[in-house]
Amino acid sequence: DAGVIQSPRHEVTEMGQEVTLRCKPISGHDYLFWYRQTMMRGLELLIYFNNNVPIDDSGMPEDRFSAKMPNASFSTLKIQPSEPRDSAVYFCASAWQITDTQYFGPGTRLTVL
Amino acid sequence: RKEVEQDPGPFNVPEGATVAFNCTYSNSASQSFFWYRQDCRKEPKLLMSVYSSGNEDGRFTAQLNRASQYISLLIRDSKLSDSATYLCVVYQNEKLTFGTGTRLTIIP
Repeated sequence: DAGVIQSPRHEVTEMGQEVTLRCKPISGHDYLFWYRQTMMRGLELLIYFNNNVPIDDSGMPEDRFSAKMPNASFSTLKIQPSEPRDSAVYFCASAWQITDTQYFGPGTRLTVL
Repeated sequence: RKEVEQDPGPFNVPEGATVAFNCTYSNSASQSFFWYRQDCRKEPKLLMSVYSSGNEDGRFTAQLNRASQYISLLIRDSKLSDSATYLCVVYQNEKLTFGTGTRLTIIP
């Protein structure tokens, strides 16, 4: 298995633009997680899905952020409009169960100018 | 008080030494605990789960102290390759919380 795949690996955009981050989880994993990591705040859980259904989105910072999982093999995290404070590394992770090992993707490094 | 707290370090430790660091959690009902390792500019990876009775994996020992609400990670005979950030993770009521990590540097 190729592991969790994220794209793009790097994204530089201007304030106000829409940003879409993509994730392909490991096949067979029922759980998918989106995280944001910054130096100041560390690794923060934004939202997670179980069998494609959003379970907890309490970590989503505000309405500018939205996440979808249309099927078991694909998820997106969208920021619209983006702001400089959204600059961070965004990780996607997947797992068989919520307390099982989480396998992280390589992350998307987002810079909003 | 933060839900999960770690000393950010950095811990600068000579090669071959033993190093230990703790992670405190605020919710006494927390159910599961883990240590993850994150290398610079890489993704986190599971190092080990933490069991109630404590557990060991080679040079690494993890322990849980429910009374004082902390978990610990001890690394013996440290290697240069142990240099990384160590993140503790606490699970409770379908919610996972990561600590901000402890940065460890092993010095030759």
